[in-house]
Amino acid sequence: DVKVTQSSRYLVKRTGEKVFLECVQDMDHENMFWYRQDPGLGLRLIYFSYDVKMKEKGDIPEGYSVSREKKERFSLILESASTNQTSMYLCASNLAGKAETQYFGPGTRLLVL
Amino acid sequence: AQRVTQPEKLLSVFKGAPVELKCNYSYSGSPELFWYVQYSRQRLQLLLRHISRESIKGFTADLNKGETSFHLKKPFAQEEDSAMYYCALRGAGSYQLTFGKGTKLSVIP
Repeated sequence: DVKVTQSSRYLVKRTGEKVFLECVQDMDHENMFWYRQDPGLGLRLIYFSYDVKMKEKGDIPEGYSVSREKKERFSLILESASTNQTSMYLCASNLAGKAETQYFGPGTRLLVL
Repeated sequence: AQRVTQPEKLLSVFKGAPVELKCNYSYSGSPELFWYVQYSRQRLQLLLRHISRESIKGFTADLNKGETSFHLKKPFAQEEDSAMYYCALRGAGSYQLTFGKGTKLSVIP
């Protein structure tokens, strides 16, 4: 059974803080993704990675960066958190074949005050 | 550019009534279409994909290329179907999924 875990379910940070969201998958998946989920806006892709140290911008990368130093771990970084980054953040992973299903983590609800 | 449109934010139906969740897409090539579901306090999970042509939990979806639609249907709604449903598209050769804004299905007992 595929397991995608995220380091925190809830997080409260202050404006200007640097925030790290961690995602780990245990199924040796090559691809990993970070989305944000907002009511009325659906899921929007922030960044994805198809290999260690490789990354690609998604639809809304501004204000975010990512790190993939190990295959199983994909980190999302908010360099200087802002209130408009308050959201639910979802991590996903899948195998390298482009037809493969994405498996999602439980999400991290971030509140930036 | 590819786009997925779910015209209904909220859909309420009575238990036992038929359900149709609409999804239209915009894509110039041959897309791969999916339906994902998120039950309350659970993670987002795949419900079905058009290439499988299967029925999951009584739901089916047919890709209509002429109408560029991938509507999700179930003949008799159950209370446990209440959830958030997202339609998603993956373009040929792409890693990315493009999601619609979602439809919240509420099944009234």
